[in-house]
Amino acid sequence: DAGVIQSPRHEVTEMGQEVTLRCKPISGHNSLFWYRQTMMRGLELLIYFNNNVPIDDSGMPEDRFSAKMPNASFSTLKIQPSEPRDSAVYFCASSFRQGGNSNQPQHFGDGTRLSIL
Amino acid sequence: GNSVTQMEGPVTLSEEAFLTINCTYTATGYPSLFWYVQYPGEGLQLLLKATKADDKGSNKGFEATYRKETTSFHLEKGSVQVSDSAVYLCALSESGGYQKVTFGIGTKLQVIP
Repeated sequence: DAGVIQSPRHEVTEMGQEVTLRCKPISGHNSLFWYRQTMMRGLELLIYFNNNVPIDDSGMPEDRFSAKMPNASFSTLKIQPSEPRDSAVYFCASSFRQGGNSNQPQHFGDGTRLSIL
Repeated sequence: GNSVTQMEGPVTLSEEAFLTINCTYTATGYPSLFWYVQYPGEGLQLLLKATKADDKGSNKGFEATYRKETTSFHLEKGSVQVSDSAVYLCALSESGGYQKVTFGIGTKLQVIP
């Protein structure tokens, strides 16, 4: 079975440019998460979607960041304009949430390593 | 709010040594607890989980026991291999709301032959 697919794997761009990261969750999963990982802060939740609806975006750093999930099989995270401090590895994860069940693990993609020059 | 605290490392061990990576948590209610492993250049993979007090999760020789009285979920392995070199992240999933997952900072393990 295909896992969570992210693209691109690596992105290098100059400050001020728009960056779009893409994610295809595991088929049948109804929850999708975007994370950012840095050495200093570890893994931070940016936004959580359930059934394509954003539920928690409290981790989105600022208005330069936006995320969409137009359908159950695709999501994007956009940064516009990008800044050097946005350099990090961005992960997408998906899971199946059913009722009050908290023991379903998240399945992660391999991440996008973003470098803003 | 919820939090997960784990030793930052790096931890360097010789092959066949005993491994312990400490993890303690703060949470309301009855969270589920997880250990994830991250190999270089890859995403996180679930290593093991425990969903209630005194449960023991185990996988690939790794074990962790959910200790509610000490709010801990320490990861152990009796004999590590070079292939175990990775970053290990402790995490909890809250029992209410949308089961938001809180991750620890991660502990880098390096096993030398």
